[in-house]
Parts: sequence; structure tokens; C-alpha cells
Amino acid sequence: AQSVTQLGSHVSVSEGALVLLRCNYSSSVPPYLFWYVQYPNQGLQLLLKYTTGATLVKGINGFEAEFKKSETSFHLTKPSAHMSDAAEYFCAVVNSNSGYALNFGKGTSLLVTP
Amino acid sequence: KAGVTQTPRYLIKTRGQQVTLSCSPISGHRSVSWYQQTPGQGLQFLFEYFSETQRNKGNFPGRFSGRQFSNSRSEMNVSTLELGDSALYLCASSFELAGGWGETQYFGPGTRLLVL
Repeated sequence: AQSVTQLGSHVSVSEGALVLLRCNYSSSVPPYLFWYVQYPNQGLQLLLKYTTGATLVKGINGFEAEFKKSETSFHLTKPSAHMSDAAEYFCAVVNSNSGYALNFGKGTSLLVTP
Repeated sequence: KAGVTQTPRYLIKTRGQQVTLSCSPISGHRSVSWYQQTPGQGLQFLFEYFSETQRNKGNFPGRFSGRQFSNSRSEMNVSTLELGDSALYLCASSFELAGGWGETQYFGPGTRLLVL
């Protein structure tokens, strides 16, 4: 089954600094990959997704991610962090062995300091 | 267009009781999936319903069940609650394929269940 691993359960950046959240996937077939964000006491909001085509995917709130097959990675980046970016971020892959349910990573908590 | 709604938002139960959670998908969406989120296990897939039929199921005991109505609204039920069932239960809707071909699943705010 397809799976993802998020490196770093906590990431801290200064306001205005680059945000880099790491996600590596494991899949024997071309993967469908997603990044979701979760703010406190809320559900998950889709940031961006990769299906096919362009490997650089742009999402909401200035986030983007690049699909790199050679590195089996789908890292999430944002050039300049805002205080409002503080949240939990989840990488997910479609698990075609389970009827296309999402397999999520453990999540990365992003802290943005002034 | 209204998003996915879940009721209730918070629930407190005691061990041995049962609970029913409700989810209304985005208008026009026919697939509803349920996920359990806990600090220890993270986000785990429970089951998915499409056209009133359970199409897929995760690795959870039979105490966890669900159903879907003709208007696509879905309920999940947990019987004989255990302390470990305390979690945030998230519902997600999609138009048809629930992730197939990269279709997006839209999540509701969740129901936070506390079992005492």
C-alpha cells in the first residue's frame, strides 16, 4: 500500500523565513499526493495536490510543492512565513489498495516566531 | 456552496454507551468518508459510503459502523464505547471517487468525542 513519511514532527521558523516541510512517499504506482492544513479545533483544509502533469504544484496561501520522482518526495514550501501559517500540516497519499482512502503522515506542527 | 457539516461538534460519553455522529456532505457530493484522528495513531480511515452502500472499510472493529441516506448524508455509530475511542472524528466528502484519480476530499470540522 502507498504511504507517506513526514520528517520532523515540529518545525519552527521565524516570521518572514522560508518554510520547508518534508514528505516522502512510498508507492509502486504513480501516486496522487496531497497536503492538508489543520488549524486548532478545525478540520482539514486542502492546500494543494499532485495528480499528473506539472511537477511544481501551486496551492493556496502562497504554498507550493514539487513532486520529485527520483527522490520520492513531495516537500511543501513557502517563501515567507506569516504568523497565521502556524498550524498542523499533513501530507497524504491515495491508497489504491483501500478503495482510494487517504493514507496520512503523522503531521508536522509549524510554529512561527516573531 | 456550503461546506461539509458535522454534528454534534463535541460529545461526552461514558464507557459502554453508544454514540451516533452525523455528517452532511457538500451539495452534489455522493461519496462520504470517515476518519478517526488521535494523538497516538494520527489520522486513520474508517469507511467510505457511496450511493447508500459501504464501498470501503478500514481496519477497525465491528463496533464502528455507518450508513448513508438517499440524500448522501451519513451517520457513523460506535457501540460499547471504550476509553480509546476518544478522538476527533472527521467526515470528508467528494463528488464520486473519494480520492480516485486524485479527486479531492473536503473535510468537515469534526466531532470531538470524549469517553469517560
